[in-house]
Amino acid sequence: EPEVTQTPSHQVTQMGQEVILRCVPISNHLYFYWYRQILGQKVEFLVSFYNNEISEKSEIFDDQFSVERPDGSNFTLKIRSTKLEDSAMYFCASSEETGRGPKGYGYTFGSGTRLTVV
Amino acid sequence: AQSVTQLDSHVSVSEGTPVLLRCNYSSSYSPSLFWYVQHPNKGLQLLLKYTSAATLVKGINGFEAEFKKSETSFHLTKPSAHMSDAAEYFCVVNNAGNMLTFGGGTRLMVKP
Repeated sequence: EPEVTQTPSHQVTQMGQEVILRCVPISNHLYFYWYRQILGQKVEFLVSFYNNEISEKSEIFDDQFSVERPDGSNFTLKIRSTKLEDSAMYFCASSEETGRGPKGYGYTFGSGTRLTVV
Repeated sequence: AQSVTQLDSHVSVSEGTPVLLRCNYSSSYSPSLFWYVQHPNKGLQLLLKYTSAATLVKGINGFEAEFKKSETSFHLTKPSAHMSDAAEYFCVVNNAGNMLTFGGGTRLMVKP
């Protein structure tokens, strides 16, 4: 079964440093997403990406965050200057079409990257 | 605006007994609804989805859920729990666009 792959599984970084979280979506999928889950809180939407541009983003996704699909296979989330409150599990997801599309494929999630900012 | 409420943060059942994980949603439109499961150190795995077809949806591993519009509920059930079902379960709604809204999760514990 096709998988969404995320690397690294764990990352520890110092406050103020830049981090890049990497994801390889399923190859024929067109929509890509980042979600995060702060410990003890709900999974929250960050951003969706389609046709090489952001299609939706949440209030969390401020100027410190950026996404990129640099080479047609990877999908990255960059946090420019990390803060303590960025510590969370970050999930990448992809879908063949929107989840609400006629076939309702839903989304395939990766295993997540646990980011710890110290 | 859409929201999802999972009524129980923890549910404990004995192996072989039925499982009921409750979910209520609010939505301005006819939503798509999903249940995802997360085993420790694993990703979010899709269990089942409702997308305005049959109201009783069957998923993997013997789980099913019934969409009840009048009650705005989408409860997850399984007739007989197995030890391997112990995990965190998330009810999720997709109202419009690409954004999913997650419930707070229910941790299912299965006792031998």
